[in-house]
Amino acid sequence: NAGVTQTPKFQVLKTGQSMTLQCAQDMNHNSMYWYRQDPGMGLRLIYYSASEGTTDKGEVPNGYNVSRLNKREFSLRLESAAPSQTSVYFCASRTDSTFSYNEQFFGPGTRLTVL
Amino acid sequence: GEDVEQSLFLSVREGDSSVINCTYTDSSSTYLYWYKQEPGAGLQLLTYIFSNMDMKQDQRLTVLLNKKDKHLSLRIADTQTGDSAIYFCAVDNYGQNFVFGPGTRLSVLP
Repeated sequence: NAGVTQTPKFQVLKTGQSMTLQCAQDMNHNSMYWYRQDPGMGLRLIYYSASEGTTDKGEVPNGYNVSRLNKREFSLRLESAAPSQTSVYFCASRTDSTFSYNEQFFGPGTRLTVL
Repeated sequence: GEDVEQSLFLSVREGDSSVINCTYTDSSSTYLYWYKQEPGAGLQLLTYIFSNMDMKQDQRLTVLLNKKDKHLSLRIADTQTGDSAIYFCAVDNYGQNFVFGPGTRLSVLP
């Protein structure tokens, strides 16, 4: 049981380049999330997916696209990277309880630098 | 939308108690959470409290909830150097996603 896995762990891009961050979970969760973490700003939600085939914008979606490929995988794409997208990106999945607390499980993060 | 606030830094001596505070704006969350982030890692659930409770104790951790003031706190007794981390308060946003505070960086001095 690997939990939530993310690739790559580190990436350096030049302004204007594109890339896709990959995320997969093996806990059979319906809900998956992409966050970015910047100093002093906590975690900000980029996009989320409540179930396979659905995606919704979060707080900071501009400059990103997502794909919920299947129940396991949720990818984040930067079409034309900008220095403002330098950040640490976390993928998460969440339990689906309606009768008890829910828990979000986080991947180890991708540290992205855009020059 | 929901807003969650925390102070950004806290420094304590080893062996002392740490108290991390959080305020939130929307009181509809059924559960409120504390997550811990160690250096270079993702967040992990530390503890949670049901909104009908005002206190929850879990070994060295005590969570206090004041619903009237929309205030949540996390007390760590006998703080150790291994407790140095960033602590995030989070509330459940109508079952869609969690809203996280900015995180409090706890530094434990020997």
